[in-house]
Amino acid sequence: AQSVTQLDSQVPVFEEAPVELRCNYSSSVSVYLFWYVQYPNQGLQLLLKYLSGSTLVESINGFEAEFNKSQTSFHLRKPSVHISDTAEYFCVLGADKLIFGTGTRLQVFP
Amino acid sequence: EAGVTQFPSHSVIEKGQTVTLRCDPISGHDNLYWYRRVMGKEIKFLLHFVKESKQDESGMPNNRFLAERTGGTYSTLKVQPAELEDSGVYFCASSQAGVGNSPLHFGNGTRLTVT
Repeated sequence: AQSVTQLDSQVPVFEEAPVELRCNYSSSVSVYLFWYVQYPNQGLQLLLKYLSGSTLVESINGFEAEFNKSQTSFHLRKPSVHISDTAEYFCVLGADKLIFGTGTRLQVFP
Repeated sequence: EAGVTQFPSHSVIEKGQTVTLRCDPISGHDNLYWYRRVMGKEIKFLLHFVKESKQDESGMPNNRFLAERTGGTYSTLKVQPAELEDSGVYFCASSQAGVGNSPLHFGNGTRLTVT
């Protein structure tokens, strides 16, 4: 069976601090991995994706995630967060359909 | 390019009533997905259309849920009769190709409350 685990339901952090949102997955076949973000009162948006090739992928707003096959992880990181990064972040495993983690609410405080 | 549009944005109905949710995908997207997030839980897959055909409906919870995609354009998801546990946010998404080959574009969701 395929599954995604996001260990932290909420992550509070001060502005300009670094952040890591953890994600572990389980799958017996090759999969794609994604991070989706939902800003307040908006729909889900694709933040970044790993399909193949380089294990380090980046988003346009400074987030990055590294695919680690041996640890079955795909943690999301940002070296310095902004207030506008406050949102809920979903780690997603893609095979024939998307399998979502339970989400991590990132709250950035001034 | 217009995004994925869902109607209504909110719906409050009583237990036993019927509700129909609508999704308009991005024009030209053959793949249409329905997902649901029940309060406090993960977003779960309901079903997948390729054009007008149901490719995978393994996530549909029971026969009170009926999804259609007439003509391969917009889709409706009907819940009849609604139960309290059906409350949640229903998301629709569309893509040109399948997972991994093209990104999924999500709508803002329909928040369904059954009282």
